[in-house]
Amino acid sequence: EPEVTQTPSHQVTQMGQEVILRCVPISNHLYFYWYRQILGQKVEFLVSFYNNEISEKSEIFDDQFSVERPDGSNFTLKIRSTKLEDSAMYFCASSGGQGSQPQHFGDGTRLSIL
Amino acid sequence: AQSVTQLGSHVSVSEGALVLLRCNYSSSVPPYLFWYVQYPNQGLQLLLKYTSAATLVKGINGFEAEFKKSETSFHLTKPSAHMSDAAEYFCAVSRLGTAAGNKLTFGGGTRVLVKP
Repeated sequence: EPEVTQTPSHQVTQMGQEVILRCVPISNHLYFYWYRQILGQKVEFLVSFYNNEISEKSEIFDDQFSVERPDGSNFTLKIRSTKLEDSAMYFCASSGGQGSQPQHFGDGTRLSIL
Repeated sequence: AQSVTQLGSHVSVSEGALVLLRCNYSSSVPPYLFWYVQYPNQGLQLLLKYTSAATLVKGINGFEAEFKKSETSFHLTKPSAHMSDAAEYFCAVSRLGTAAGNKLTFGGGTRVLVKP
C-alpha cells in the first residue's frame, strides 16, 4: 500500500538554526498537510497546501515557517530560526481529495531543539 | 470552530474484554469524523471514518464506531481486546470548508493498555 515517507526520523538542531523537514506524499494525492505534536499535547494542525499554494494555516504557522513543493514528489517544512518551543514531533499527511477523503500520515520527524 | 474531546487519557482493559473509547465533538456544520491509531514510533493510521453514509462504521482490526448526532458522539468500540491493540487512539473531526483541503482537529488521545 502506498505510504507517506518522512525524513529524517529524528533531527537535533541548535536554537536559532534553520531546519528543513522532508516528506514524500502519496504520489497521486493533491492535498498536503503538516501537523505537530508537542510531547504530552494534542496533535495540532499547522498548514494545508493545494495547487502549489497554502490553502489554510493555523496561528502557530507564523513567519518562521514556510512550506514548499520543490518538485513533483517532495513537500518540505522549513523553520527559519528554531526556538526551544519548536521541539515536537512533526507529521506530514496527504489526501486524494477533500471532505471525507482521509489523510494518510507519515511516521513523523522528531525535532529536538537544544 | 470545531473541537474534539476524548474522555480518559488512559484506559486499561483485560485481554478479551470490551474496549470503549469515548469521543465527543462540536462542529457548526455536519462533520466528518475519524479514528486514528498510533503505535509506538509510528505515524497515525486510519482505523475508520464517518462520512454520513451510515451511523455505524466498521473499521480495521475489528473496531467500529457509532455516530450519534443527538449526543454529538463518535465512540470507538471493539468487543474483545487483543494485546496488539495496545496503542494510542485519536479521534478527529474535519469539515468541508471554504479553504481547499480540510484540516483535522484532534482530540487529546487515549492510550490503551491491554492486560493479559
